[in-house]
Amino acid sequence: DAGVIQSPRHEVTEMGQEVTLRCKPISGHNSLFWYRQTMMRGLELLIYFNNNVPIDDSGMPEDRFSAKMPNASFSTLKIQPSEPRDSAVYFCASSPGLAAGELFFGEGSRLTVL
Amino acid sequence: SQKIEQNSEALNIQEGKTATLTCNYTNYSPAYLQWYRQDPGRGPVFLLLIRENEKEKRKERLKVTFDTTLKQSLFHITASQPADSATYLCALDMDGGSQGNLIFGKGTKLSVKP
Repeated sequence: DAGVIQSPRHEVTEMGQEVTLRCKPISGHNSLFWYRQTMMRGLELLIYFNNNVPIDDSGMPEDRFSAKMPNASFSTLKIQPSEPRDSAVYFCASSPGLAAGELFFGEGSRLTVL
Repeated sequence: SQKIEQNSEALNIQEGKTATLTCNYTNYSPAYLQWYRQDPGRGPVFLLLIRENEKEKRKERLKVTFDTTLKQSLFHITASQPADSATYLCALDMDGGSQGNLIFGKGTKLSVKP
């Protein structure tokens, strides 16, 4: 079975550019989560969806960040404009449902903003 | 605000010994607690979930305890092997088990020497 698929795996961009990260959750999973990981702050929840509907976006750091889930098999996290402090590894995770507990993570997208 | 701490950034042990990792939390009463393993450049992988009404859970060489009075979980790896070397993350549910989102500790990097 394919796990959570994220793209790109690595992205290097210049400050001010738009960045779009993509995620395909595991088929049949109803919940999708976006996390950001840095050495300083560890794993931080940015936003999560249930049945394609955003449930809590209180972790999104600024208005420069936005996330969408147009259908059950695809989600995007967009940063516009990007800044050097956005450099981090961004993980997407899915789970069968909100009460299921266990999260299945993708391999992450490492973003470097110069 | 909720706070979750893993007491050591790094733990070095000899092969064959038992590794014990600690996770403490404050200002919170989670319905369950989870442990994940993360290898360099990879996403976290779920290991074990323990609920608030469970004292202990085992899976092969892994054992997790959950003390809601002390607000602490211990994660044990018995007969440790070099292949167990990784970063281990503990995670608490944020919404009493009903929403499925998790807050993560920063992790403990375990190194098992042959």
